[in-house]
Amino acid sequence: ELKVEQNPLFLSMQEGKNYTIYCNYSTTSDRLYWYRQDPGKSLESLFVLLSNGAVKQEGRLMASLDTKARLSTLHITAAVHDLSATYFCAVCHSGAGSYQLTFGKGTKLSVIP
Amino acid sequence: KAGVTQTPRYLIKTRGQQVTLSCSPISGHRSVSWYQQTPGQGLQFLFEYFSETQRNKGNFPGRFSGRQFSNSRSEMNVSTLELGDSALYLCASSLEQGGQPQHFGDGTRLSIL
Repeated sequence: ELKVEQNPLFLSMQEGKNYTIYCNYSTTSDRLYWYRQDPGKSLESLFVLLSNGAVKQEGRLMASLDTKARLSTLHITAAVHDLSATYFCAVCHSGAGSYQLTFGKGTKLSVIP
Repeated sequence: KAGVTQTPRYLIKTRGQQVTLSCSPISGHRSVSWYQQTPGQGLQFLFEYFSETQRNKGNFPGRFSGRQFSNSRSEMNVSTLELGDSALYLCASSLEQGGQPQHFGDGTRLSIL
């Protein structure tokens, strides 16, 4: 059974600071996704990471994937209040005609002015 | 281009009743997945449909069922509702099975009294 662990689960950080969210998973996978969820809202796709060493950046967020270590990171640079949300990583495993995402528990990020 | 549409947005039911939730995927998307989100368990995969066939099912009891129509619209049904079924039910669609990021709808919030 695929397990996905995120840490930390809660993160309070000051504006302007940097921090990294970690996502570990237990078995090999085709691809890894990062999503953002605002309170009362749905999930918004942030990044798709398809191969070992993949790095994607969008604004103050950068995601990377190390398939050998089964680890993905989401790095936040110079945080701003608008980044406050819950961030989920999700690991895809497909095969035999099926396709399933297993999500981490999420990291609730609060950026304090 | 319209996003994933879920109806209804909110639903209140009592124990023992049954409920049907609806999901219209993004036009052209053939894969539809359903997830249950609760504070305790997080996001859990329910099932995935592609071309009217259930391709994968999560670890949920048989009270949870679904189907997909020829136009890719999907419904999920929960019978004999229990208090623990209170959750946000999210539908996601993607262009093809095992394809690029799933696009999520706003969800149906189901409350069981």
